[in-house]
Amino acid sequence: QSALTQPPSASGSPGQSVTISCTGTSNDIGGYDYVSWYQQHPGKAPKVIIFEVTKRPSGVPDRFSGSKSGNTASLTVSGLQAEDEAVYYCSSSAGTRLFGGGTKLTVL
Amino acid sequence: QVQLQESGPGLVKPSQILSLTCTVSGGSINRGGNYWSWIRQHPGKGLEWIGYIYYSGSTYYNPSLKSRVTISIDTSKNQFSLRLSSVTAADTAVYYCAKDGFGVPLDPWGQGTLVIVSS
Repeated sequence: QSALTQPPSASGSPGQSVTISCTGTSNDIGGYDYVSWYQQHPGKAPKVIIFEVTKRPSGVPDRFSGSKSGNTASLTVSGLQAEDEAVYYCSSSAGTRLFGGGTKLTVL
Repeated sequence: QVQLQESGPGLVKPSQILSLTCTVSGGSINRGGNYWSWIRQHPGKGLEWIGYIYYSGSTYYNPSLKSRVTISIDTSKNQFSLRLSSVTAADTAVYYCAKDGFGVPLDPWGQGTLVIVSS
């Protein structure tokens, strides 16, 4: 069982928006703005797409956005594209690093 | 830019020690503020953080693995290493190294290396 809770799957059609949730506690997500999101394609290493809840690294499309409310962080992918099909992991990094169990995003 | 590369045996026998090294290039491992982490991913499963080491040598481990894990650093070689003792088949996984830090994301990552525990 992962420390952070994510839905195992999500899906959407090209052009649509999808939101993935990540629930923790007041000791991790709720207590700090140190939430990051990672995208992992099959056979590849994870790649950071969101950090500090809402920030995007250089080169990450602005279709990816992050937010947080209380103990739950969210990743929204807008204008879904085929290449967005991947597994997405959330993580909290306040002392101990925690991961969510991952959400497989399917583009229908 | 900083790049990381894992190396080590791809096959380890049960009860033995798993040893991996991560070589950092394009930047100094001996820089304040940077932590260096090991993460693993069991086949078809999610990510599990193993632990990290600071350039000064201080470490912090996942409590679930703490009794079997040692992470060390060699600043002269710009490398840090993982030792996992008393391995079983449950330790079969892809092992990644990554640059870490308090409040910062894991970035970049190494490409990962598959370690199989089998006799």
